[in-house]
Amino acid sequence: GDSVTQTEGQVALSEEDFLTIHCNYSASGYPALFWYVQYPGEGPQFLFRASRDKEKGSSRGFEATYNKEATSFHLQKASVQESDSAVYYCALSDLDNRIFFGDGTQLVVKP
Amino acid sequence: EAAVTQSPRNKVTVTGGNVTLSCRQTNSHNYMYWYRQDTGHGLRLIHYSYGAGNLQIGDVPDGYKATRTTQEDFFLLLELASPSQTSLYFCASSDVGDEQYFGPGTRLTVL
Repeated sequence: GDSVTQTEGQVALSEEDFLTIHCNYSASGYPALFWYVQYPGEGPQFLFRASRDKEKGSSRGFEATYNKEATSFHLQKASVQESDSAVYYCALSDLDNRIFFGDGTQLVVKP
Repeated sequence: EAAVTQSPRNKVTVTGGNVTLSCRQTNSHNYMYWYRQDTGHGLRLIHYSYGAGNLQIGDVPDGYKATRTTQEDFFLLLELASPSQTSLYFCASSDVGDEQYFGPGTRLTVL
């Protein structure tokens, strides 16, 4: 079945560091790929999506590029801030409109 | 602004108790979802629906029933609650192929 793998369970950085959170997927067909962010005490929020190979999604300084050959959708940000501390989820959407989420990556940014 | 509300926000019950979690969306979305979120497991899909009267089984349905009474309302039912169902529950809604909008969550404790 379809699945999403996030390599890092937790990432600890200092402000202005470069961020990469790795996301790889396994799916039949051509899924849409998403990143969501969840702040403490809230539900997950949509960050951005990409629907085709080589498409870049972006929002709030975060970006990721759909790589069909590598089956990846890695999240990056050039300079993180303390306010970016949250849990980040990679996800894919299948033809039945189900979304499969990765296990999430806790980002901790120290001032 | 898309809106998903959940009630109650917190619930404590005893083993064997009967619990109903409610979700309402005002987005005119066709799809609604119930997830549970546990440390180390991310978001796991319990049930989902693509319209009033419809119900689809998710990945962790055992011990849960659900009913979609209208386009706006989706209920999760635990008829014989067990301590293993202590969790944070999220409801979400979406259109076909689009991002999901999540509610604020319901924290359920089964003693």
